Amino acid sequence: NAGVTQTPKFRVLKTGQSMTLLCAQDMNHEYMYWYRQDPGMGLRLIHYSVGEGTTAKGEVPDGYNVSRLKKQNFLLGLESAAPSQTSVYFCASNPGTSEYNEQFFGPGTRLTVL
Amino acid sequence: SQQGEEDPQALSIQEGENATMNCSYKTSINNLQWYRQNSGRGLVHLILIRSNEREKHSGRLRVTLDTSKKSSSLLITASRAADTASYFCATDAAGGSYIPTFGRGTSLIVHP
Repeated sequence: NAGVTQTPKFRVLKTGQSMTLLCAQDMNHEYMYWYRQDPGMGLRLIHYSVGEGTTAKGEVPDGYNVSRLKKQNFLLGLESAAPSQTSVYFCASNPGTSEYNEQFFGPGTRLTVL
Repeated sequence: SQQGEEDPQALSIQEGENATMNCSYKTSINNLQWYRQNSGRGLVHLILIRSNEREKHSGRLRVTLDTSKKSSSLLITASRAADTASYFCATDAAGGSYIPTFGRGTSLIVHP
C-alpha cells in the first residue's frame, strides 16, 4: 500500500496562475481532507469529502475548489493564485468508522506564490 | 479557529527525561487524538482517547483526558533524540464528525 500520496511535492506559481494538487489514497477510505499549514497556525481545514461525489467547506475555503469524482482521488484547485496561498498543503484520509478513526496524511506539497 | 490549544508551544529536554505536553479545548468532544510531525513530513497518528476514557497507554506514551477541565496531556517517558518533533492534539466534536480540529502544536526538542 502506498497510503496517501500527493502530487506535486513542490511548486512555484506567479500571482494569478492556476494549478491543481492531486491527492490519492489506496486504502478505500471514505473521508478525505485538504489542510494548509502555516508557521504558528497549526493545520487549518480547507475542504473535505465524506464520500465519492461529495465535498464540503472547511475553515478556510476561500480561493480553493475541490472535486472527488473517484473515491480514491481528491483534487484541490487554485483558480487564481495569490501570495497569501503560499503554504504547505496536506491531504489526509480517514476510514470514518467508530472502531477505526484516524487520519492518514500525505507527505505535503510546498507551494510558493510569487 | 483552533479548538485544541497545546501548551507549551516549545519544550526542550535531555534524552532520558520525560516530556509532558498539554491540550485544552473549548467544546464537548467525542474523542481526542494526538499526532506527531517530523520536520518536513506529514502528521502521523499516535493515539486516540474517547470521551468516556480517562487514561490510555501505548508504549512510552501515556495520554490522559479530563473532560471536566476540557484538557488532555501527553506524556512521553524516557525520551529519545528520535522523539524530536512537533506534537498536535486534534479534537472530534461530540457526536463524532470525523472532522477533527487541530491545535497549533508543541515543538519538542530532545537533546542527546
